[in-house]
Amino acid sequence: SQKIEQNSEALNIQEGKTATLTCNYTNYSPAYLQWYRQDPGRGPVFLLLIRENEKEKRKERLKVTFDTTLKQSLFHITASQPADSATYLCALDRGNTGKLIFGQGTTLQVKP
Amino acid sequence: GAVVSQHPSWVICKSGTSVKIECRSLDFQATTMFWYRQFPKQSLMLMATSNEGSKATYEQGVEKDKFLINHASLTLSTLTVTSAHPEDSSFYICSARDQWQAGEAFFGQGTRLTVV
Repeated sequence: SQKIEQNSEALNIQEGKTATLTCNYTNYSPAYLQWYRQDPGRGPVFLLLIRENEKEKRKERLKVTFDTTLKQSLFHITASQPADSATYLCALDRGNTGKLIFGQGTTLQVKP
Repeated sequence: GAVVSQHPSWVICKSGTSVKIECRSLDFQATTMFWYRQFPKQSLMLMATSNEGSKATYEQGVEKDKFLINHASLTLSTLTVTSAHPEDSSFYICSARDQWQAGEAFFGQGTRLTVV
């Protein structure tokens, strides 16, 4: 079955540095991959979607890469701020049905 | 972006009672909505797919008679947890996609259910 893995350990970085989060998947060839942000006690909020034919996508301070050979996506936040502290989830869509499979999430803590 | 509203945001109920959670797409129509469950320190797990005008489809291991889903209109899906037990205590989240825009999903704010 499809499996998604994210680094379950919390990531602690200093304000202004670049945070890099990793998402690996197996047993699947997704047409696209998504990243979401989740704050405690809240539902996920969509951040970025990257398609299989895209190597990289950017949105303001966010950058996502997608390597279909390695079956890996990297999520970068540049010039990180304490407000970026949250849990970040990567997700795959099962056959473009809208049914999302989520990784366990990586909690990012940006210290001032 | 599109807005999905979920109500209530939290509920406490007694064991054996039923609880209904509503999920509404406010500015778009959703023929399909999704219900997820999230236990503490874990990720979201899909429970079921709610289909407007037809029966919901459930993921393996999810009891359809316990988690009743109704999708009566293009903007409203409800999840009823019947005969709730303490082990049903969890964070329930719905999502929907704009049927004309494949890809990103819009999530409700979630419902924290505590069964005592």
